[in-house]
Amino acid sequence: QVELVQSGEEVKKAGAAVKVSCKASGYGFRNYGITWVRQAPGQGLEWMGWNSAYNGNIKVAEKFQGRLSLTTDTSTSTAYMELRSLRSDDTAIYYCARVLGIVDLDYWGQGTLITVSS
Amino acid sequence: QSALTQPASVSGSPGQSITISCTGTSSDVGIYNYVSWYQQHPGRAPKLIIYEVSRRPSGISDRFSASKSGNTASLTVSGLQAEDEADYYCTSFTTMTTLIIGGGTKLTVL
Repeated sequence: QVELVQSGEEVKKAGAAVKVSCKASGYGFRNYGITWVRQAPGQGLEWMGWNSAYNGNIKVAEKFQGRLSLTTDTSTSTAYMELRSLRSDDTAIYYCARVLGIVDLDYWGQGTLITVSS
Repeated sequence: QSALTQPASVSGSPGQSITISCTGTSSDVGIYNYVSWYQQHPGRAPKLIIYEVSRRPSGISDRFSASKSGNTASLTVSGLQAEDEADYYCTSFTTMTTLIIGGGTKLTVL
């Protein structure tokens, strides 16, 4: 069965970087994109970016450009999200999700809580 | 545009139907049939319940239906049940090849 397993909770200082992993299993990793979505405490979902299997491109939301890197390691079927220059308002649960087709996020990781302290 | 527009909350009694709207622009909802809806229960990851405007993934109840007209998409939940109480989010592909997400709607079953 399809499964996305994310790395564990982390606490970071403001200004530091965090790298979250998302290990996929149960499907052909190269055939699907991976997207990253975050959710601040008590808030809605926010799209961060994706590695598109549709056209092979990596797209990052404008607000994260310059401090967000999305990578994949096909040898281990793992996607990575690295966010740099962390601020307190980056405190959130970060989710990875598989992209079915163009935009449909059909399987999600369990989420990774990142807490940024000042 | 930073987010699609959804009502903050809707409510209904068991057995009733409710509709959640999702308003975008001609650069997202209005131009593509790539509108999806997600259900999120507290403490859980979101779950895809509608894709490509009105299609249901396998295993999703037919009490969930959706449509689109112009720049506005809509999700209808019929025969409300207690388990439907959750947050609902719409998303759309955009002309910038990004994903835009709605602000979310809290559904309360009275």
